[in-house]
Amino acid sequence: EIVLTQSPGTLSLSPGDRATLSCRASQSLARSSLAWYQHRPAQAPRLLIYGASNRATGVPDRFSGSGSGADFTLTLSRLEPEDFAVYYCQQYYRSPLTFGGGTKVEI
Amino acid sequence: EVQLLESGGDLIQPGGSLRLSCAASGFTFTSYAMAWGRQAPGKGLEWVSTTSASGLTTNYADSVKGRFTISRDNSKNTLFLQMNSLRADDTGVYYCATYGTRPPAPFDYWGQGTLVTVSS
Repeated sequence: EIVLTQSPGTLSLSPGDRATLSCRASQSLARSSLAWYQHRPAQAPRLLIYGASNRATGVPDRFSGSGSGADFTLTLSRLEPEDFAVYYCQQYYRSPLTFGGGTKVEI
Repeated sequence: EVQLLESGGDLIQPGGSLRLSCAASGFTFTSYAMAWGRQAPGKGLEWVSTTSASGLTTNYADSVKGRFTISRDNSKNTLFLQMNSLRADDTGVYYCATYGTRPPAPFDYWGQGTLVTVSS
Protein backbone atom coordinates (compact mmCIF):
# COMPACT_ATOMS: atom_id res chain seq x y z
CA GLU A 1 0.00 0.00 0.00
CA ILE A 2 1.26 3.48 -0.88
CA VAL A 3 1.18 5.69 2.21
CA LEU A 4 0.75 9.43 1.73
CA THR A 5 2.01 11.73 4.48
CA GLN A 6 0.74 15.29 4.49
CA SER A 7 2.32 18.18 6.34
CA PRO A 8 1.69 20.26 8.23
CA GLY A 9 -1.42 18.93 9.93
CA THR A 10 -2.75 22.45 10.42
CA LEU A 11 -1.87 25.80 8.87
CA SER A 12 -3.04 28.94 10.64
CA LEU A 13 -3.08 31.81 8.16
CA SER A 14 -4.94 34.98 7.20
CA PRO A 15 -6.79 35.97 4.02
CA GLY A 16 -4.27 37.12 1.43
CA ASP A 17 -1.53 34.83 2.76
CA ARG A 18 0.23 32.16 0.74
CA ALA A 19 -0.23 28.53 1.78
CA THR A 20 2.14 25.69 0.93
CA LEU A 21 0.96 22.14 1.59
CA SER A 22 3.15 19.07 1.26
CA CYS A 23 2.35 15.46 0.36
CA ARG A 24 5.02 12.76 0.44
CA ALA A 25 4.44 9.26 -0.93
CA SER A 26 6.08 6.12 0.44
CA GLN A 27 7.11 5.22 -3.11
CA SER A 28 7.43 7.00 -6.41
CA LEU A 29 4.20 7.62 -8.30
CA ALA A 30 4.67 6.95 -12.00
CA ARG A 31 2.82 9.25 -14.39
CA SER A 32 2.46 11.71 -11.45
CA SER A 33 -0.82 10.02 -10.53
CA LEU A 34 -1.56 12.39 -7.69
CA ALA A 35 -4.63 14.53 -7.02
CA TRP A 36 -5.54 17.24 -4.51
CA TYR A 37 -9.01 17.77 -3.07
CA GLN A 38 -10.63 20.53 -1.03
CA HIS A 39 -13.17 19.51 1.59
CA ARG A 40 -15.31 22.05 3.40
CA PRO A 41 -17.52 20.93 6.32
CA ALA A 42 -20.83 19.38 5.24
CA GLN A 43 -19.94 19.74 1.57
CA ALA A 44 -18.88 17.37 -1.16
CA PRO A 45 -15.12 17.05 -1.62
CA ARG A 46 -13.92 18.95 -4.69
CA LEU A 47 -11.17 17.93 -7.10
CA LEU A 48 -8.63 20.74 -7.43
CA ILE A 49 -5.56 19.22 -9.10
CA TYR A 50 -4.91 15.99 -11.02
CA GLY A 51 -1.76 14.60 -12.57
CA ALA A 52 0.15 16.53 -9.87
CA SER A 53 -0.11 19.89 -11.65
CA ASN A 54 -3.27 20.11 -13.77
CA ARG A 55 -6.10 22.27 -12.49
CA ALA A 56 -9.54 20.71 -12.67
CA THR A 57 -12.36 22.45 -14.50
CA GLY A 58 -13.37 25.72 -12.86
CA VAL A 59 -10.55 25.80 -10.30
CA PRO A 60 -9.10 29.32 -9.85
CA ASP A 61 -5.51 29.87 -10.89
CA ARG A 62 -4.52 30.79 -7.32
CA PHE A 63 -4.39 27.00 -6.80
CA SER A 64 -1.32 25.30 -8.24
CA GLY A 65 0.21 21.87 -7.91
CA SER A 66 3.78 20.77 -8.44
CA GLY A 67 6.13 17.89 -7.83
CA SER A 68 6.92 14.46 -9.17
CA GLY A 69 8.19 11.12 -8.00
CA ALA A 70 7.31 10.99 -4.31
CA ASP A 71 7.17 14.67 -3.30
CA PHE A 72 4.27 16.94 -4.18
CA THR A 73 3.12 20.42 -3.23
CA LEU A 74 -0.16 22.31 -3.37
CA THR A 75 0.20 26.09 -3.28
CA LEU A 76 -2.58 28.59 -2.65
CA SER A 77 -1.12 31.90 -3.71
CA ARG A 78 -3.54 34.32 -2.01
CA LEU A 79 -6.00 32.85 0.43
CA GLU A 80 -9.62 33.81 0.00
CA PRO A 81 -12.15 33.33 2.84
CA GLU A 82 -13.68 30.33 1.03
CA ASP A 83 -10.29 28.58 0.87
CA PHE A 84 -10.25 27.78 4.57
CA ALA A 85 -10.91 24.04 4.50
CA VAL A 86 -9.19 20.66 4.73
CA TYR A 87 -7.03 19.59 1.79
CA TYR A 88 -6.26 15.98 0.91
CA CYS A 89 -3.83 14.43 -1.53
CA GLN A 90 -4.67 11.10 -3.16
CA GLN A 91 -2.68 8.69 -5.27
CA TYR A 92 -4.39 6.77 -8.05
CA TYR A 93 -1.29 5.06 -9.37
CA ARG A 94 -1.84 1.77 -7.63
CA SER A 95 -4.59 -0.04 -5.79
CA PRO A 96 -5.51 0.37 -3.00
CA LEU A 97 -6.23 4.02 -3.77
CA THR A 98 -5.03 6.00 -0.78
CA PHE A 99 -5.48 9.47 0.67
CA GLY A 100 -3.20 11.48 2.88
CA GLY A 101 -4.35 12.40 6.36
CA GLY A 102 -5.21 15.96 5.32
CA THR A 103 -4.02 19.50 6.06
CA LYS A 104 -6.45 21.87 7.70
CA VAL A 105 -6.06 25.48 6.57
CA GLU A 106 -7.61 27.66 9.25
CA ILE A 107 -7.85 31.33 10.02
CA GLU B 1 -24.21 19.92 -14.48
CA VAL B 2 -22.97 16.73 -12.87
CA GLN B 3 -25.13 15.65 -9.94
CA LEU B 4 -24.61 12.69 -7.63
CA LEU B 5 -27.24 12.13 -4.96
CA GLU B 6 -26.61 9.46 -2.34
CA SER B 7 -29.34 7.93 -0.22
CA GLY B 8 -29.94 4.99 2.08
CA GLY B 9 -27.86 5.98 5.08
CA ASP B 10 -29.35 5.07 8.45
CA LEU B 11 -28.73 4.01 12.03
CA ILE B 12 -28.11 0.27 11.98
CA GLN B 13 -27.08 -2.27 14.59
CA PRO B 14 -23.74 -4.06 14.40
CA GLY B 15 -24.02 -7.11 12.15
CA GLY B 16 -26.81 -5.55 10.12
CA SER B 17 -27.07 -4.74 6.44
CA LEU B 18 -27.71 -1.58 4.47
CA ARG B 19 -27.90 -0.68 0.80
CA LEU B 20 -26.75 2.72 -0.36
CA SER B 21 -27.79 4.24 -3.68
CA CYS B 22 -26.32 7.04 -5.77
CA ALA B 23 -28.46 8.62 -8.47
CA ALA B 24 -26.33 10.18 -11.21
CA SER B 25 -27.24 12.83 -13.75
CA GLY B 26 -25.64 15.45 -15.97
CA PHE B 27 -23.09 13.15 -17.62
CA THR B 28 -22.96 9.92 -19.60
CA PHE B 29 -23.13 7.48 -16.70
CA THR B 30 -22.46 4.44 -18.87
CA SER B 31 -19.06 5.85 -19.88
CA TYR B 32 -17.75 6.41 -16.36
CA ALA B 33 -16.19 4.16 -13.79
CA MET B 34 -17.57 4.97 -10.35
CA ALA B 35 -16.38 4.85 -6.78
CA TRP B 36 -17.47 4.91 -3.16
CA GLY B 37 -15.46 6.66 -0.49
CA ARG B 38 -16.16 7.41 3.15
CA GLN B 39 -15.16 9.59 6.05
CA ALA B 40 -15.36 8.37 9.62
CA PRO B 41 -16.14 10.98 12.32
CA GLY B 42 -13.09 13.16 12.90
CA LYS B 43 -11.05 11.24 10.33
CA GLY B 44 -9.91 11.75 6.75
CA LEU B 45 -11.18 10.45 3.44
CA GLU B 46 -10.92 6.73 2.68
CA TRP B 47 -11.46 4.84 -0.56
CA VAL B 48 -13.99 1.99 -0.25
CA SER B 49 -14.67 0.51 -3.69
CA THR B 50 -14.62 1.12 -7.44
CA THR B 51 -16.43 -0.37 -10.40
CA SER B 52 -15.76 -0.14 -14.11
CA ALA B 53 -18.21 1.53 -16.50
CA SER B 54 -19.69 -1.86 -17.41
CA GLY B 55 -19.79 -3.07 -13.82
CA LEU B 56 -17.78 -6.16 -14.71
CA THR B 57 -14.63 -5.12 -12.84
CA THR B 58 -14.73 -4.21 -9.15
CA ASN B 59 -12.18 -3.47 -6.45
CA TYR B 60 -12.45 -3.13 -2.69
CA ALA B 61 -10.45 -1.83 0.22
CA ASP B 62 -9.24 -4.65 2.45
CA SER B 63 -11.35 -3.25 5.32
CA VAL B 64 -14.60 -4.00 3.44
CA LYS B 65 -13.66 -6.91 1.19
CA GLY B 66 -16.06 -9.82 1.57
CA ARG B 67 -18.66 -7.65 3.34
CA PHE B 68 -19.48 -4.88 0.82
CA THR B 69 -20.57 -5.24 -2.81
CA ILE B 70 -20.55 -2.45 -5.36
CA SER B 71 -22.89 -2.64 -8.34
CA ARG B 72 -24.58 -0.39 -10.85
CA ASP B 73 -27.73 -0.24 -12.96
CA ASN B 74 -26.72 1.54 -16.15
CA SER B 75 -30.32 1.61 -17.36
CA LYS B 76 -31.22 3.75 -14.34
CA ASN B 77 -27.97 5.74 -13.94
CA THR B 78 -27.64 4.45 -10.40
CA LEU B 79 -24.72 3.15 -8.35
CA PHE B 80 -25.18 0.90 -5.31
CA LEU B 81 -23.22 -0.25 -2.30
CA GLN B 82 -24.55 -3.30 -0.47
CA MET B 83 -23.10 -3.32 3.04
CA ASN B 84 -23.33 -6.51 5.12
CA SER B 85 -21.94 -7.52 8.50
CA LEU B 86 -21.64 -3.89 9.46
CA ARG B 87 -19.26 -2.92 12.26
CA ALA B 88 -18.92 0.16 14.42
CA ASP B 89 -15.86 1.25 12.45
CA ASP B 90 -17.97 1.40 9.28
CA THR B 91 -19.68 4.48 10.74
CA GLY B 92 -19.24 7.58 8.64
CA VAL B 93 -20.39 9.63 5.70
CA TYR B 94 -20.38 7.65 2.46
CA TYR B 95 -19.76 9.46 -0.81
CA CYS B 96 -20.14 8.32 -4.37
CA ALA B 97 -17.82 9.78 -6.97
CA THR B 98 -17.02 9.57 -10.65
CA TYR B 99 -13.81 7.69 -11.39
CA GLY B 100 -13.11 8.79 -14.94
CA THR B 101 -13.67 7.26 -18.37
CA ARG B 102 -10.26 5.56 -18.40
CA PRO B 103 -9.23 4.68 -14.85
CA PRO B 104 -7.07 4.83 -12.88
CA ALA B 105 -8.15 8.44 -12.55
CA PRO B 106 -8.92 11.00 -9.87
CA PHE B 107 -12.41 11.30 -8.44
CA ASP B 108 -13.71 14.12 -10.63
CA TYR B 109 -17.06 14.74 -8.95
CA TRP B 110 -18.45 13.77 -5.56
CA GLY B 111 -21.90 13.68 -4.04
CA GLN B 112 -22.86 15.32 -0.75
CA GLY B 113 -22.79 12.01 1.07
CA THR B 114 -25.13 9.91 3.20
CA LEU B 115 -24.55 9.14 6.88
CA VAL B 116 -24.25 5.57 8.10
CA THR B 117 -24.19 5.02 11.85
CA VAL B 118 -23.48 1.53 13.16
CA SER B 119 -24.38 1.35 16.83
CA SER B 120 -26.45 -0.68 19.25
